[in-house]
Amino acid sequence: DAKTTQPTSMDCAEGRAANLPCNHSTISGNEYVYWYRQIHSQGPQYIIHGLKNNETNEMASLIITEDRKSSTLILPHATLRDTAVYYCIALSGAGSYQLTFGKGTKLSVIP
Amino acid sequence: DSGVTQTPKHLITATGQRVTLRCSPRSGDLSVYWYQQSLDQGLQFLIQYYNGEERAKGNILERFSAQQFPDLHSELNLSSLELGDSALYFCASREAGLGSGELFFGEGSRLTVL
Repeated sequence: DAKTTQPTSMDCAEGRAANLPCNHSTISGNEYVYWYRQIHSQGPQYIIHGLKNNETNEMASLIITEDRKSSTLILPHATLRDTAVYYCIALSGAGSYQLTFGKGTKLSVIP
Repeated sequence: DSGVTQTPKHLITATGQRVTLRCSPRSGDLSVYWYQQSLDQGLQFLIQYYNGEERAKGNILERFSAQQFPDLHSELNLSSLELGDSALYFCASREAGLGSGELFFGEGSRLTVL
């Protein structure tokens, strides 16, 4: 699976949109971009995934650039409960779906 | 609530001992994954089982072993424990046949080796 690069940490004001970037310049055509988050020491939680098109669900939006070399996870109205470590993972659409977690981005939502 | 249950939530033991961590996947999920999270290593994939058979292996030590039973619950056995084995151990499950990497994680078992 392709390597991903994320900023170590970010701050966001409560109520504002949080935009978390991820670089995956070596991503291959059959690799999806997945986002998970981990709140404190809880189990990681799936957020969203996509291949080429932008995706939106009740939690977040995922914007993938046309060349698929980078993506942005958008939390439209961040709350204090969104403070967590966010992981961007490139994952092949075939295989055992074992996730390889990097260090992620520590998002702090500030009141 | 992810539907994945892990026991025990906390465990304190001594070096050299052996422990067993248990995981009950979501109802109907055939795949079970084990992960270790320590302060300095982050989340590390250990091993995956699918319907009772080992499917993939990651950075799992020889002192560690796992199995998945016919009722689909899984156990992770850690033996000859060392201080460095202190970590959070997570289990996750995935719906079989669904072409998605959406894993559902339990709340983890925190192991402290003294």
